[in-house]
Amino acid sequence: AQTVTQSQPEMSVQEAETVTLSCTYDTSENNYYLFWYKQPPSRQMILVIRQEAYKQQNATENRFSVNFQKAAKSFSLKISDSQLGDTAMYFCAFMKLGNYGQNFVFGPGTRLSVLP
Amino acid sequence: KAGVTQTPRYLIKTRGQQVTLSCSPISGHRSVSWYQQTPGQGLQFLFEYFSETQRNKGNFPGRFSGRQFSNSRSEMNVSTLELGDSALYLCASRTGTGDYNEQFFGPGTRLTVL
Repeated sequence: AQTVTQSQPEMSVQEAETVTLSCTYDTSENNYYLFWYKQPPSRQMILVIRQEAYKQQNATENRFSVNFQKAAKSFSLKISDSQLGDTAMYFCAFMKLGNYGQNFVFGPGTRLSVLP
Repeated sequence: KAGVTQTPRYLIKTRGQQVTLSCSPISGHRSVSWYQQTPGQGLQFLFEYFSETQRNKGNFPGRFSGRQFSNSRSEMNVSTLELGDSALYLCASRTGTGDYNEQFFGPGTRLTVL
């Protein structure tokens, strides 16, 4: 069974600064997807960024980028130029590839506060 | 295009009762997944329905069940409620075909069991 670990329950960052959220996972699979989801307070969860395990290039989406280390089973999220609207719970998630029924495994989450 | 909607948004029940939650997916999406979110256990996958058939199931007791209708709307039922069932229940929809497609989450139903 796959497991996802986020070792930082809470983090804070000053507006305009950069912050990195950590995620490690355990799997025996070779093909899979990794995701970062954002859940703002009292708002819907949205996808921030995804990474296909077979791609060596790290995914980027505007101010969000990942550092994917497949051998180390590490998948960190870097948020550059943090904004107040980035305040949210961030979940790292794993999905096995090739399974039409998507069965996500989520980490426990990191609560990020962006301070003015 | 309207997003994923869930009803009701809030629910209070007592132990031993049963509850039904509803999820309407984005138009054109045929897959609906359900998740339970609690502070202690985090987000856990309950099950996924595609074209009225359960396609995947998480590790939850049989008190948790679901179904999907021909219009892709889905319901989740929890029977004989326990205090530990208090949680935010999220549903997510996606097209459901092909290898990967993004899932979109609803706002959730917050269930409180007294």
